[in-house]
Amino acid sequence: QKEVEQNSGPLSVPEGAIASLNCTYSDRGSQSFFWYRQYSGKSPELIMFIYSNGDKEDGRFTAQLNKASQYVSLLIRDSQPSDSATYLCAVKAEGGKLIFGQGTELSVKP
Amino acid sequence: DTEVTQTPKHLVMGMTNKKSLKCEQHMGHRAMYWYKQKAKKPPELMFVYSYEKLSINESVPSRFSPECPNSSLLNLHLHALQPEDSALYLCASTEGLANVLTFGAGSRLTVL
Repeated sequence: QKEVEQNSGPLSVPEGAIASLNCTYSDRGSQSFFWYRQYSGKSPELIMFIYSNGDKEDGRFTAQLNKASQYVSLLIRDSQPSDSATYLCAVKAEGGKLIFGQGTELSVKP
Repeated sequence: DTEVTQTPKHLVMGMTNKKSLKCEQHMGHRAMYWYKQKAKKPPELMFVYSYEKLSINESVPSRFSPECPNSSLLNLHLHALQPEDSALYLCASTEGLANVLTFGAGSRLTVL
């Protein structure tokens, strides 16, 4: 079983819709969870991090964490074509290692 | 300064060459990382330095040799690489091992 799993996509949503990105992780002891966005040919940039169960909102982005289900998600409201990118879920592991999922490619159609 | 700076942005080298990738940050971060990323794949951890000491080596081949001369600098020395080592090499830093990673723009390496 992979440590961090994401649907690879591509996920296609129309402009203005809500995009929902999902991630599961295997280490029940994980405490820190991150969502990075990566445009083609560029480096990952942090969108959000979440440490506690529940929702965390930042503008159009909401991260949701459920440690009991070992599940973390990212919702993007009012999706824009500029949101088209690969979204990487990452989990902090022992020793400070950041373990990435395979990434979900999001395409927002005008 | 909230950036991680990587040089060079692009590097082309032959299999017999010796070259180095450099990474610099002035945020006072004490942990620095090297990741390797192939196309359409997630970043893969190579090395972690904490307080200038190597704390994690993810069984990386010895043709990759990391060096942390001081708390602001991280180098990756390259020697006798293979074409399959062509990838985007990402440097990252964080204030402490539990904190958020900030990535540099990456160095795109092509091995001929």
